[in-house]
Amino acid sequence: GESVGLHLPTLSVQEGDNSIINCAYSNSASDYFIWYKQESGKGPQFIIDIRSNMDKRQGQRVTVLLNKTVKHLSLQIAATQPGDSAVYFCAENSGAGSYQLTFGKGTKLSVIP
Amino acid sequence: DAGVTQSPTHLIKTRGQHVTLRCSPISGHKSVSWYQQVLGQGPQFIFQYYEKEERGRGNFPDRFSARQFPNYSSELNVNALLLGDSALYLCASSLRREGAAAFFGQGTRLTVV
Repeated sequence: GESVGLHLPTLSVQEGDNSIINCAYSNSASDYFIWYKQESGKGPQFIIDIRSNMDKRQGQRVTVLLNKTVKHLSLQIAATQPGDSAVYFCAENSGAGSYQLTFGKGTKLSVIP
Repeated sequence: DAGVTQSPTHLIKTRGQHVTLRCSPISGHKSVSWYQQVLGQGPQFIFQYYEKEERGRGNFPDRFSARQFPNYSSELNVNALLLGDSALYLCASSLRREGAAAFFGQGTRLTVV
C-alpha cells in the first residue's frame, strides 16, 4: 500500500537548474506508471508515463527513469522554470483487471527565480 | 479539445445530506475513474467504470456509489455525508480500461459542515 502524510517533501531549485524528483512504489506487480503535476486548487496534470518494459522515457524537458529492481521512479526536469513550481505525484497501476492508480505522497517543487 | 469536465466546482453540504457529482470524460474515452483527495495527500481511488460497468472499487464505504451513462459521462453519489467526506473529488478519463494515460478534471471541492 501507500504511505501518505500531511507534510510533503520539498525540493527547492534555482531557475535554470535541473530537478530530480524521486518516488518509491509499492507493488512489484505494477506495470504502468504516470507522473502528475498538481498546482494549487487544480486537478493533477498528466506529465509523462512509462511501462514496466522500459527503463527510460523522454518527453519535452522531462525524463522518467524506472528501476524495477528497487521499485524506484524518478522524474527529471531540465532547465526548471518558475511555472514548474507545483506538487508532483507518481502513480502506479497494477493492471490487474482494473485501472486503479495508487499515488505516492507527492513532492513539492519550489523554483527560486 | 475539451478535457475532462466536472460539475459543480464547489459545493457546501450539511452532515447527513446527499450529494451528486458529475463528470464528462474526454471525447472517445470510455473509462472513468473517481478519486478523493484530502488536503496534503495524494488522490485515493474510489471507483472505475468502463463501458458502463464497475471495474474496480477502492476502500470506501457503501455510502459511496457511482454509475456511468451510455454517453460515458458519470455520476458519483455520496449519502449520509460526514465531515470527513470534505475533500476534492477528482474524475479521470482514459481511452482504455487500463494501461493508458489517465487525464483528470479540475475537481469538485466538497465541504461538509
